[in-house]
Amino acid sequence: SSELTQDPAVSVALGQTVRITCQGDSLRTYYASWYQQKPGQAPVLVIHAKKKRPSGIPDRFSGSSSGDTASLTITGAQAEDEADYFCNSRDSSGKVTFGGGTKLTVL
Amino acid sequence: QVQLVESGGGLVKSGGSLRLSCAASGLTFSDDYMSWIRQAPGKGLEWVSHIGSSGTYTNYADYVKGRFTISRDNAKNSLYLQMNSLRVEDTAVYYCARRSMSDCSDGTCYSYYFDYWGQGALVTVSS
Repeated sequence: SSELTQDPAVSVALGQTVRITCQGDSLRTYYASWYQQKPGQAPVLVIHAKKKRPSGIPDRFSGSSSGDTASLTITGAQAEDEADYFCNSRDSSGKVTFGGGTKLTVL
Repeated sequence: QVQLVESGGGLVKSGGSLRLSCAASGLTFSDDYMSWIRQAPGKGLEWVSHIGSSGTYTNYADYVKGRFTISRDNAKNSLYLQMNSLRVEDTAVYYCARRSMSDCSDGTCYSYYFDYWGQGALVTVSS
């Protein structure tokens, strides 16, 4: 299956650490990327190839992967990190799947 | 500065057709794979299609295959999505995005990711 499963919602206290996960069989072979989307805006790439951070993305964002699960960790969450987060991967046919998204609330 | 600007969205009746365009600037368009990704109102992201740099290679999600056609004109730095036999469930914001690849070995790239996105074009299909 090429489905990717994410928790629908996660919350974190301001300044604390939060982990958002993405689970799917394709992640055993292919690499996850992560996107942040704020209301009314296009998604922004925050992590690609499991753990690579594009230029301009704060280093409090990090990625990791083990087995069929990829994780996005925000260390010291800020108010501006409140957003929807989506993962994606590819499958063996070259198609792409996105996870259902996780709504992050910063308390 | 990379810019991707979608156009051509609008309201269409079920069974109708629409053609989206995406004008690219600030990147070497003819070298890049490009994609369409959509997002229904209040829902998550859904990959639709991508096309290789020359236009020879295309790939489609099962839910649009046979109805949608992706194409490009490298001389015009433009990407297109022809949408036929539209359904109510195709209602969404359609984003144009550059698809990049990394971690490649023996002809397989293990990471597909979308590093530049347009602002999206709203397509509404009514019954």
